[in-house]
Amino acid sequence: DGGITQSPKYLFRKEGQNVTLSCEQNLNHDAMYWYRQDPGQGLRLIYYSQIVNDFQKGDIAEGYSVSREKKESFPLTVTSAQKNPTAFYLCASTRLAGGPGNEQFFGPGTRLTVL
Amino acid sequence: GDSVTQMEGPVTLSEEAFLTINCTYTATGYPSLFWYVQYPGEGLQLLLKATKADDKGSNKGFEATYRKETTSFHLEKGSVQVSDSAVYFCALSDQTGTASKLTFGTGTRLQVTL
Repeated sequence: DGGITQSPKYLFRKEGQNVTLSCEQNLNHDAMYWYRQDPGQGLRLIYYSQIVNDFQKGDIAEGYSVSREKKESFPLTVTSAQKNPTAFYLCASTRLAGGPGNEQFFGPGTRLTVL
Repeated sequence: GDSVTQMEGPVTLSEEAFLTINCTYTATGYPSLFWYVQYPGEGLQLLLKATKADDKGSNKGFEATYRKETTSFHLEKGSVQVSDSAVYFCALSDQTGTASKLTFGTGTRLQVTL
């Protein structure tokens, strides 16, 4: 079955450590996205990528980094510069052809807790 | 910039009650509008969408109509079930870019009781 996988589901890290969250899709989608979800704040866009080896900052990119070396993979690194990294992180993807009416498909999310 | 405003939750209803979750938006141009649903501990799933004014999206008994004159996309269901308990997000898609970026509302939690 096609879909988006994120791993791990739960992640615990000590303050000051970098951590990388995995996102893989087998939908052959062009664009991929990372969102952060905090209670009562909805989803906020961290980074997105339209094609391999290219990505753009979203609304809250500070303290995060990404790479897009393969079409199907878009890992997110939460660096020690991110002041409040504890959150639920969601990866999504979509086709570009057809325009903004295309839905974004979401992975199951990774809950990161920084101790 | 673009923004989406949803009614505050939680919304608590008895089974078979009528549901309305209000959503209004601010956007330049002509965005596409979406409702996503999130069950506990999971990612988001598309519930329905509308891509132009007066379009009605529908799925699983839920409906929403794209009203450009009132910049609204209210979600309705005639008879809710316990299994509808979830968080519902209204979102709009940026019409101007090539990579469709979604702007989300803050979400509305629905709790349906027997």
